[in-house]
Amino acid sequence: DAGVTQSPTHLIKTRGQQVTLRCSPKSGHDTVSWYQQALGQGPQFIFQYYEEEERQRGNFPDRFSGHQFPNYSSELNVNALLLGDSALYLCASTSDSLSSYEQYFGPGTRLTVT
Amino acid sequence: AQSVTQPDIHITVSEGASLELRCNYSYGATPYLFWYVQSPGQGLQLLLKYFSGDTLVQGIKGFEAEFKRSQSSFNLRKPSVHWSDAAEYFCAVGDPLNQAGTALIFGKGTTLSVSS
Repeated sequence: DAGVTQSPTHLIKTRGQQVTLRCSPKSGHDTVSWYQQALGQGPQFIFQYYEEEERQRGNFPDRFSGHQFPNYSSELNVNALLLGDSALYLCASTSDSLSSYEQYFGPGTRLTVT
Repeated sequence: AQSVTQPDIHITVSEGASLELRCNYSYGATPYLFWYVQSPGQGLQLLLKYFSGDTLVQGIKGFEAEFKRSQSSFNLRKPSVHWSDAAEYFCAVGDPLNQAGTALIFGKGTTLSVSS
């Protein structure tokens, strides 16, 4: 059973560009959350998708947007990239039907903005 | 607002020695509490979690954590550390009153080094 997968592994972009990161949840999971982890920091919650809708959002600007597809996979889009967007972007999945709230994290996408 | 504090940025422990990593949280009630471990280049792996009940919880890899309501703490412990335990450890809280209780708030992490 594959766990949470993310692509690409690494990405280098220039300021002002746009980027799309992808995530496939663990089999049986229907809820996907995205986190940003800056160097030396803990992950920060960006937003969560459930039933193809954004259910909750953290303190991130509208430049950060997302999407969830019918197969529960998800994309994170960041527009007008800033140097400060350089970070590890983590995707986590869980099942909304579970009461454990146990999230499974993917290995992340390392984004570097130059 | 919820917050998580991990007071120790970096800890070095001798192999075989005991370990305690500290975590304090700020929340109006008892949140869901988690400890995750992150090895270099890896995602986060859940070590253990607390929702309610017994305040001493057992996790994977020989770790345990104790919830102390009076101190708003959820410290992680291991009686004997192995070299493979060297990693970054994160404490996190989730809001049990929020339907999206999985929107976790993480501390800044503690880096554990193990010396021989």
